[in-house]
Amino acid sequence: GENVEQHPSTLSVQEGDSAVIKCTYSDSASNYFPWYKQELGKRPQLIIDIRSNVGEKKDQRIAVTLNKTAKHFSLHITETQPEDSAVYFCAAEGRGSGNTGKLIFGQGTTLQVKP
Amino acid sequence: DSGVTQTPKHLITATGQRVTLRCSPRSGDLSVYWYQQSLDQGLQFLIQYYNGEERAKGNILERFSAQQFPDLHSELNLSSLELGDSALYFCASTPTVNTGELFFGEGSRLTVL
Repeated sequence: GENVEQHPSTLSVQEGDSAVIKCTYSDSASNYFPWYKQELGKRPQLIIDIRSNVGEKKDQRIAVTLNKTAKHFSLHITETQPEDSAVYFCAAEGRGSGNTGKLIFGQGTTLQVKP
Repeated sequence: DSGVTQTPKHLITATGQRVTLRCSPRSGDLSVYWYQQSLDQGLQFLIQYYNGEERAKGNILERFSAQQFPDLHSELNLSSLELGDSALYFCASTPTVNTGELFFGEGSRLTVL
């Protein structure tokens, strides 16, 4: 079935350090891998995404890498700031029986950035 | 503001009851997705509608049902409620069924006592 595993479940770093969150997915047909940030009591919001025709994508302090052969992808946040503290979710396109646009989410990583 | 509207924001009810959650997608979006987020849990995909038709189904319980109306708003019906149904229910919308950003509403928090 469709499954996305995410690690670690919690991550605590000092301000200025880097944070890395890793995910693996099961559906080899998946071609789209977004990352969402959810602040406490708020809705999930897209922060970066990557498609399977590229291996890495950067947006300022955030980068995502994708290894399709191994079926895993990672989120890298550099120079972390207290406002980066939130729950981060990886997701993979759920192809299932065809094109739907649905996303299968990982269990989330609670990132705490200590000042 | 994502443009996706969900009502009610909060709902408290008793076991065995039935509730309806409503979602209005972004203007022009044809596809609506429902997700359940329980405490300390990820976002579990429940069901998707596209232009009025069911498009994909996830781990949605038989006690739950949904529909999308001609004006494209969607409703998620939860019946015979149990304590374990307490969760945050999110609706999201996209223009089509092609992969891309899901625009989430603010969610409806359901508490079953």
